[in-house]
Amino acid sequence: KAGVTQTPRYLIKTRGQQVTLSCSPISGHRSVSWYQQTPGQGLQFLFEYFSETQRNKGNFPGRFSGRQFSNSRSEMNVSTLELGDSALYLCASSALAGFSYEQYFGPGTRLTVT
Amino acid sequence: GENVEQHPSTLSVQEGDSAVIKCTYSDSASNYFPWYKQELGKRPQLIIDIRSNVGEKKDQRIAVTLNKTAKHFSLHITETQPEDSAVYFCAAVAYSGAGSYQLTFGKGTKLSVIP
Repeated sequence: KAGVTQTPRYLIKTRGQQVTLSCSPISGHRSVSWYQQTPGQGLQFLFEYFSETQRNKGNFPGRFSGRQFSNSRSEMNVSTLELGDSALYLCASSALAGFSYEQYFGPGTRLTVT
Repeated sequence: GENVEQHPSTLSVQEGDSAVIKCTYSDSASNYFPWYKQELGKRPQLIIDIRSNVGEKKDQRIAVTLNKTAKHFSLHITETQPEDSAVYFCAAVAYSGAGSYQLTFGKGTKLSVIP
């Protein structure tokens, strides 16, 4: 089974621009979560999508948004980029395996805002 | 919401020694506790997990213990090897409504195994 994939792997943007990141989950997984990883803050939860619906949202400003398509692929968008948005953005997919909630991460998109 | 504290933030051990990383959580509803290993430049990988109805789980050189009463859980790595060097994240999972579960991560522990 192919793992979680993310595109692009690297991005350089300037302040004020917007960016869209893409995530393809493991085949059969319907839940996709997004995380922001920075050296000082670790892994911070952005939002989770399941069956095209956002079910959960972390404590991030409205500039961060996402969506999920009928094939479970997900995109996240960041508008009006700020320097502090520079981070590794990880998505993770899950099959919601019963009592556990195993998440499998993609390789991430490294976003640099200049 | 859930809050997960992880200690220490950095840990150096000699090859062959043991390493212990500790985490505490705040939400008593959390019922699943995974541990992830992230090597430099790579994605986090699930290495072991424990459910709230179990007190300890082992997988070769790694083990995790859970104390629900005290709301803390720990990762134990025995006979450490250089390839164990990585950042380790603990997490707690709780049901957050509408069929959704949310992982809350600790801030990570950078483990260095000195040959």
